[in-house]
Amino acid sequence: KAGVTQTPRYLIKTRGQQVTLSCSPISGHRSVSWYQQTPGQGLQFLFEYFSETQRNKGNFPGRFSGRQFSNSRSEMNVSTLELGDSALYLCASSLLSRTNTGELFFGEGSRLTVL
Amino acid sequence: QKEVEQDPGPLSVPEGAIVSLNCTYSNSAFQYFMWYRQYSRKGPELLMYTYSSGNKEDGRFTAQVDKSSKYISLFIRDSQPSDSATYLCAMNAGTGGYNKLIFGAGTRLAVHP
Repeated sequence: KAGVTQTPRYLIKTRGQQVTLSCSPISGHRSVSWYQQTPGQGLQFLFEYFSETQRNKGNFPGRFSGRQFSNSRSEMNVSTLELGDSALYLCASSLLSRTNTGELFFGEGSRLTVL
Repeated sequence: QKEVEQDPGPLSVPEGAIVSLNCTYSNSAFQYFMWYRQYSRKGPELLMYTYSSGNKEDGRFTAQVDKSSKYISLFIRDSQPSDSATYLCAMNAGTGGYNKLIFGAGTRLAVHP
């Protein structure tokens, strides 16, 4: 069974540009979450999508947005990039269940460097 | 103060040692507690989760939750060099089946032969 696939794996942008990251969840998983990982702040929740609807949102500015398609694939977009947006962006997929076991399956991440 | 506190280490132990990793948290509403392991240049992978207070064992790994003290632990017995990784505790702030994980800073563990 293929895991969570994220593209691109590495990218370099300059301040003011925008970036789009893509995530393909594990087959059958309809919930997709995004997290930002930095040395200073650790892993922080960005948002979660299920059935093309955003279900939860973290404490990030409106420059961070996302969407989910009918095939459960997801994209996140960061506009007007700042130096502080340099991070590893992780996508995770999961099955929706009645319990909140927190069982997420993470991809290997997209490492964004903003110059 | 962060919702989840975890000593980032690093922690260096000899092979075969018992490792103890800990986190404290402030939100008493958390019900599910998780430990993730992250190898360098990889995404985190779930080791185990625990519901409410109590212990859970899986092979060489034991997770403990003490809700009265807002304290969780992960014990690794007979540690191996392959256990060298960053260990992240997490709590689920989501409801209704949706997941919104709050992670600790992660503890970097090195097990040397």
